[in-house]
Amino acid sequence: AQSVAQPEDQVNVAEGNPLTVKCTYSVSGNPYLFWYVQYPNRGLQFLLKYITGDNLVKGSYGFEAEFNKSQTSFHLKKPSALVSDSALYFCAVRDYTTSGTYKYIFGTGTRLKVLA
Amino acid sequence: NAGVTQTPKFQVLKTGQSMTLQCAQDMNHEYMSWYRQDPGMGLRLIHYSVGAGITDQGEVPNGYNVSRSTTEDFPLRLLSAAPSQTSVYFCASRLGQGHLNQPQHFGDGTRLSIL
Repeated sequence: AQSVAQPEDQVNVAEGNPLTVKCTYSVSGNPYLFWYVQYPNRGLQFLLKYITGDNLVKGSYGFEAEFNKSQTSFHLKKPSALVSDSALYFCAVRDYTTSGTYKYIFGTGTRLKVLA
Repeated sequence: NAGVTQTPKFQVLKTGQSMTLQCAQDMNHEYMSWYRQDPGMGLRLIHYSVGAGITDQGEVPNGYNVSRSTTEDFPLRLLSAAPSQTSVYFCASRLGQGHLNQPQHFGDGTRLSIL
């Protein structure tokens, strides 16, 4: 079965500094990877996805993610953090179900705190 | 365009009570799913549906029932609430089998406490 791991429960970064939120994956076959963000008392919002092609994927709100096949990683990055980026971030991987469709496996989440 | 709408936003139940969490989407999405979110555990899939009349179990289905009589609605039923079901519940939807790489759209959640 596919899985993703987010090794950091929380990441603190100063406003204006670059940020990285880590995600590693374990899949059989080609990985289909996603990043979502969750603001307080809201549902998850899609940021970006990697399906195939360029290893650097650009997404919403200035975020990007780097797919690294040799390290089985899909880290989320932003060149200059904003206080408004403070939120809970989830990495996810697409997996097959026993009935032949697809579902999504989520990591445990990483809380990003951007300090002014 | 409302997207995915969940009601109620908050609910407190006593152990043994039953209730239905409502989920509706207006995007004509075939695929709908229910997750629960617990601290340190991320989101876990409870049940999902690939279309009207078709449902299947996810990772943690015990204690929950679902049905899908229309494309728009996907209610989640707790038959006899237990304290272990205290959680935040999210409904999500996406396009169906012909659009496998499309992301899911989430509702804002139902915060459920079982006393």
